[in-house]
Amino acid sequence: AQTVTQSQPEMSVQEAETVTLSCTYDTSESNYYLFWYKQPPSRQMILVIRQEAYKQQNATENRFSVNFQKAAKSFSLKISDSQLGDTAMYFCAFMKPTNDYKLSFGAGTTVTVRA
Amino acid sequence: ETGVTQTPRHLVMGMTNKKSLKCEQHLGHNAMYWYKQSAKKPLELMFVYNFKEQTENNSVPSRFSPECPNSSHLFLHLHTLQPEDSALYLCASSQTGVGSPLHFGNGTRLTVT
Repeated sequence: AQTVTQSQPEMSVQEAETVTLSCTYDTSESNYYLFWYKQPPSRQMILVIRQEAYKQQNATENRFSVNFQKAAKSFSLKISDSQLGDTAMYFCAFMKPTNDYKLSFGAGTTVTVRA
Repeated sequence: ETGVTQTPRHLVMGMTNKKSLKCEQHLGHNAMYWYKQSAKKPLELMFVYNFKEQTENNSVPSRFSPECPNSSHLFLHLHTLQPEDSALYLCASSQTGVGSPLHFGNGTRLTVT
């Protein structure tokens, strides 16, 4: 099984500021897929961003962007201009390039945006 | 997003009860999943169905019995559960295809008394 590590259990950020969440993973694959999911109090896991390992360009989605460092096996998420609605638990996830479609998740980081 | 709907939202059951969780997706996907989310633990994959065929059973105890009658519906039948089975059970679906993201429902919060 792939190991995904999120070393920050909790983070707090002031509204309109920027916060960066860390994620590292362990794999021997050369190609794979990485994801960030957001889980607000409503409990639904919402896809935030997706990155393909063979693409060097970092994925972005509005205020969310990643810093993908393949050699370091690092996949951090930056939330810019934080909003109160960004308060949620954030999960990093890894998917192998196989037809089993299985996602391996990290333990999550709880982000609280302060007004 | 209401593409994946789970019912019930909350469920309390005794250890001798039999109950079922239901999941329905309206996204035209062909793969469906059950995940278990316990406090302080990463999400655990339980089952994967691809075109109605079970392709993954992640060593789940037999007191959990999945059923996938078609690509849009997924059930999790529960019987003689243990208190440690109390958790949030999340259903997800995806397109078949390497790297396709999963789309999740709101989950069923299960409490076993």
